[in-house]
Amino acid sequence: GAGVSQSPSNKVTEKGKDVELRCDPISGHTALYWYRQSLGQGLEFLIYFQGNSAPDKSGLPSDRFSAERTGGSVSTLTIQRTQQEDSAVYLCASSLALNRGQRAYEQYFGPGTRLTVT
Amino acid sequence: LAKTTQPISMDSYEGQEVNITCSHNNIATNDYITWYQQFPSQGPRFIIQGYKTKVTNEVASLFIPADRKSSTLSLPRVSLSDTAVYYCLVGDVRNDYKLSFGAGTTVTVRA
Repeated sequence: GAGVSQSPSNKVTEKGKDVELRCDPISGHTALYWYRQSLGQGLEFLIYFQGNSAPDKSGLPSDRFSAERTGGSVSTLTIQRTQQEDSAVYLCASSLALNRGQRAYEQYFGPGTRLTVT
Repeated sequence: LAKTTQPISMDSYEGQEVNITCSHNNIATNDYITWYQQFPSQGPRFIIQGYKTKVTNEVASLFIPADRKSSTLSLPRVSLSDTAVYYCLVGDVRNDYKLSFGAGTTVTVRA
């Protein structure tokens, strides 16, 4: 079946502009995660959704970052007033619900959106 | 997440077996060992997960000794397409969904 899709695949924006990144998870996956991966850095957790609610937003680096999920499916990560340090690959992952015995570490990732802030 | 240590890079040739060892001296009782693979310009991909002894699937084998302070990912008969970064994670897979990767091991397979 179809995997996790993300759009756009690449985004170049000027410092100070807002950007929206989209994630379409695997059908039936109620858990959704956003991460970012910077060049030479590891994977950084941003936010976790279960259904449409986000019980864990602890990884969002500042109030310029926000995310929403509608219909228990598509999610959008918004970065306002982008800064150069926001440049990274933003990855979305999905999984079955954690309270149904799904092992939390088995997440399915999309290809990512490469964000470059100039 | 327990701290893990793995080699930065490994080189191999097509058809050989590649073994990547990950050290996790402070692994907790509830922790599992999970490996991910990441190709350039792609998201990470779950490979294998285990708690103790040996786990095998169609992609790899995972060997975990009795003390669980280390583990070895074994890739049999690698091909050029196995060139990727491999990440070892240790944590409580029942609850801890925040994946965190370090530098991983860059495996380069040559013809």
